[in-house]
Parts: sequence; C-alpha cells; structure tokens
Amino acid sequence: DTEVTQTPKHLVMGMTNKKSLKCEQHMGHRAMYWYKQKAKKPPELMFVYSYEKLSINESVPSRFSPECPNSSLLNLHLHALQPEDSALYLCASSQPWSWPGELFFGEGSRLTVL
Amino acid sequence: AQTVTQSQPEMSVQEAETVTLSCTYDTSESDYYLFWYKQPPSRQMILVIRQEAYKQQNATENRFSVNFQKAAKSFSLKISDSQLGDAAMYFCAYRATQGGSEKLVFGKGTKLTVNP
Repeated sequence: DTEVTQTPKHLVMGMTNKKSLKCEQHMGHRAMYWYKQKAKKPPELMFVYSYEKLSINESVPSRFSPECPNSSLLNLHLHALQPEDSALYLCASSQPWSWPGELFFGEGSRLTVL
Repeated sequence: AQTVTQSQPEMSVQEAETVTLSCTYDTSESDYYLFWYKQPPSRQMILVIRQEAYKQQNATENRFSVNFQKAAKSFSLKISDSQLGDAAMYFCAYRATQGGSEKLVFGKGTKLTVNP
C-alpha cells in the first residue's frame, strides 16, 4: 500500500466554524507533513511531525492546529479561519533520514472559507 | 537557507518531441537529494525522478532523465517522446534539513503544455 489518504476532498466552511482535515498512511513512515498550496503556486510547508513529535512549525497562525495521534494519522484542526486561508491542503509522508527519502503526497483537501 | 529556482513559468512541446525544464538551486551542503515532482490538474503530487548529489551518473526513469551539474548547481529535467499525459505543473525540489527534521523546498514550478 503506497497511498496517503486525505479526507475530505472538498470542504466549505464559514469563518466561525470548527472543522478538521484528516490524513492517513500505512507505509510505516515516521514523518508526516502538512503543506498549503495556493493556485499556480508551489506547496508551502506548514508543519512536520517526526516520530509523532512536532518538529517544524513554519510560523503558522494558531487558527491551524496540527495533531498526530499515532504514526499513521495526521490531523489539521481548523478554527476561525479567514477567506485567505482558502487553498489546497496537502498531506505527505516519508521515512526520515532514508534514501531515497522522497515524500509521498495525498490528493489534497480543497478548502474554501466563506 | 537552500533555495530552488525554476526560471521557466511555462513551456510547451509538441507530442512526441523532447522538452527540457530548468532548475537551479543554492546550497552549502556537499551531499543532498534533488527531486522532480509532477502535479497534473488532478492535483496529486507525483514523484517523477530523484537524484543523490554524490552520484555523478544522471538519473533516468523511462522517458524522463536529468542533467545534474553539481558544480553549476543545476538539475534540469528532460522529457523525451512527450505524451499528452505529461501535461502538468512540474516542481523541482531540494531535500533540506531543519530542526533535526527534513523537508522539501520547492521551486515555483513550470507549467508544461503538450500540443497534439
């Protein structure tokens, strides 16, 4: 199984809502990532979990709250978002400090904030 | 900090022809890893090809090959016998380390159009 599964594929939420994005992988990878991607732009790193510990937070606003319940799951909790947070949110996984060490990406969750 | 530059926002190629996408990067590390990812309109990022810096031999995967010039810090992607399904955004990426973890630093991307 070489898939990273993200749910939901599409999400529309108001600025006062609380929602979550979910990501799951069964490749035994111990690093998981959240990237944000605006249209026609490259992915921008938000968070990295390595061995279930938050290791990189790229100064992301607190309205985004990541969670890594176990080595297979990664959540992104969303609260009081702004319209400019509308984007494609990509989850990825990899095996730390390995070769080739590429990231495997999910199909993304398209978020629209009204 | 490492940076990745893709100087061609858009490229086009005729079906069955060859196209080369450019990528340069900046790093002070001596050993590192480089990747090309493809993102079709379906939006999933798919690995195309990878290169380890200490390997002098250029990587090849079927119709895809790279021209890796370490001294020039250049990592271009050549697509031979282009197919309609190759149309996508192509991102060059550098595997960087930060805070004891690893991350990918992406270039801005090149949109490839394949004309029938």
